[in-house]
Amino acid sequence: AQSVTQLGSHVSVSEGALVLLRCNYSSSVPPYLFWYVQYPNQGLQLLLKYTSAATLVKGINGFEAEFKKSETSFHLTKPSAHMSDAAEYFCAVRSYGGSQGNLIFGKGTKLSVKP
Amino acid sequence: EPEVTQTPSHQVTQMGQEVILRCVPISNHLYFYWYRQILGQKVEFLVSFYNNEISEKSEIFDDQFSVERPDGSNFTLKIRSTKLEDSAMYFCASSEAGQGASTDTQYFGPGTRLTVL
Repeated sequence: AQSVTQLGSHVSVSEGALVLLRCNYSSSVPPYLFWYVQYPNQGLQLLLKYTSAATLVKGINGFEAEFKKSETSFHLTKPSAHMSDAAEYFCAVRSYGGSQGNLIFGKGTKLSVKP
Repeated sequence: EPEVTQTPSHQVTQMGQEVILRCVPISNHLYFYWYRQILGQKVEFLVSFYNNEISEKSEIFDDQFSVERPDGSNFTLKIRSTKLEDSAMYFCASSEAGQGASTDTQYFGPGTRLTVL
């Protein structure tokens, strides 16, 4: 069975500082991994996804994530935080076995950006 | 840009009452999903739907739950007799294609917050 664990329910950074949101996965098969972001009062928006091509995945808004099989990690980074990055971020892995591959989510990490 | 919409944004109901949560998926999408998030917990998969039938469902999706695509644009989730533990944020999602296709990304709506008293 697949699962993801997000370390840190709340991360606070200063504007311009590095953003690092941690996600570790568990999967018995090569995983498909995703990062979603939720801004206040909005739906979950896809930031980026890993589907076994390049291990470094670039997403929207300057975010990227690196798939590290040896560490079973898929951490999300952004070199320089912006106030508009304040949101909740969810890591997810696609479930195997079903015909449509439902997503299995982590608990989410709320990112605060201080001026 | 096309988006998934959900109504209402917040629903308050009494225990034992029926509720219907509504979603309008993106118009050319063929696969539909419901997820929920109980406060402080993970987003959990409930059900997926394709070609007018359920494709997969989780253990949470018991006989109290049902889904329907009544008119070709709406996708609804019905809870027949709500329980206190059904209080959660319910997210609808849709995708153009199923797993493995290049257009299988799931697009989510803003959610409906259901409060059962």
